[in-house]
Amino acid sequence: EPEVTQTPSHQVTQMGQEVILRCVPISNHLYFYWYRQILGQKVEFLVSFYNNEISEKSEIFDDQFSVERPDGSNFTLKIRSTKLEDSAMYFCASRSYNEQFFGPGTRLTVL
Amino acid sequence: GQNIDQPTEMTATEGAIVQINCTYQTSGFNGLFWYQQHAGEAPTFLSYNVLDGLEEKGRFSSFLSRSKGYSYLLLKELQMKDSASYLCAVRLALGVTGGGNKLTFGTGTQLKVEL
Repeated sequence: EPEVTQTPSHQVTQMGQEVILRCVPISNHLYFYWYRQILGQKVEFLVSFYNNEISEKSEIFDDQFSVERPDGSNFTLKIRSTKLEDSAMYFCASRSYNEQFFGPGTRLTVL
Repeated sequence: GQNIDQPTEMTATEGAIVQINCTYQTSGFNGLFWYQQHAGEAPTFLSYNVLDGLEEKGRFSSFLSRSKGYSYLLLKELQMKDSASYLCAVRLALGVTGGGNKLTFGTGTQLKVEL
């Protein structure tokens, strides 16, 4: 069964460093999302992407964040200068019709 | 804005039935989803309701009443592996501010299944 994949599974970085989180959505899906979940808290929407552009973003998704689909398969989330409060689990999701399928997540730890 | 409420935690016995409730206040409702999330893992899709009524899928059923802003997830013949967090999520309609198919999640209900 096709699935969303994400790399790395765990990323540790120093405050102020740039990180790139990578996702490979399900191949025939057209809508892509990033969500994050701070430990013990609820899943929060960050950004949605369709037709090579951002279709919606939340107030969390400020100028430090960017997304890109550099080729036909990858979908990336970049955090330009990480802060301690960016430590969270980051989930990529993709959708063709109603269901959003989530990847296994990248646990980002900012020290 | 949107408000989604579900109980924080529930406990049930293996083999029993449990109902997890979710209430929501939104504008431009366009579907309610239930996801299962084991600790440290990704949410896994369980069910989707956009019209009133019951959707059944094996041991899991989900009910929606749009007029009441209410849904429940029903789990039958509980198994130990059903111990997880159950997330209620609402999708807003396109064209509504904040809509566009993103999901807004509740805080989740932590279900513990005991022997």
